[in-house]
Amino acid sequence: NAGVTQTPKFRVLKTGQSMTLLCAQDMNHEYMYWYRQDPGMGLRLIHYSVGEGTTAKGEVPDGYNVSRLKKQNFLLGLESAAPSQTSVYFCASSYGGEKETQYFGPGTRLLVL
Amino acid sequence: KNQVEQSPQSLIILEGKNCTLQCNYTVSPFSNLRWYKQDTGRGPVSLTIMTFSENTKSNGRYTATLDADTKQSSLHITASQLSDSASYICVVSAMGNYQLIWGAGTKLIIKP
Repeated sequence: NAGVTQTPKFRVLKTGQSMTLLCAQDMNHEYMYWYRQDPGMGLRLIHYSVGEGTTAKGEVPDGYNVSRLKKQNFLLGLESAAPSQTSVYFCASSYGGEKETQYFGPGTRLLVL
Repeated sequence: KNQVEQSPQSLIILEGKNCTLQCNYTVSPFSNLRWYKQDTGRGPVSLTIMTFSENTKSNGRYTATLDADTKQSSLHITASQLSDSASYICVVSAMGNYQLIWGAGTKLIIKP
């Protein structure tokens, strides 16, 4: 089992460019999450999904969109990147909700110039 | 406001020594508390999850304690190894809420 994988590992964007981060999990988990991690701060939830075809906003959703067309994939889109979106992005998945362990991918480091 | 605070911010100890990391939280209604280990450049990995009724939980050389009355938790690492060098993050879940509240972490460095 690969667990949770993320592509790309690293990306540099110019302000205003768009991109999509891909997350895939092979554990048949219902729940998937996108977080961002900034220096000196705890992880912050961007969007999450409780099942195929469903998405919901987290703590910091502005400037991001997501889609969950297939159970195993969760895509995070940046339509018009801004320097404030420079961060490390982590995808996670879990079998259930609040009482279940979340399993994390290796992260995507994004630099917006 | 739901918050999780960890101390110390960073800690350096010698290999083989024990250490204890602290976590205070103001999350209500409380569901569970987790400790994660995050190696540099990698995603967090779960160490323990404790619910309201659990006071202590161990995972190898890692032992977490929970005092739900004082809203405090600690993570004790016994006989530290170089591979224990990482950030340790305390995370609290509120009942009925998918959103976890993450602490900023304690950066632990083990020196030979």
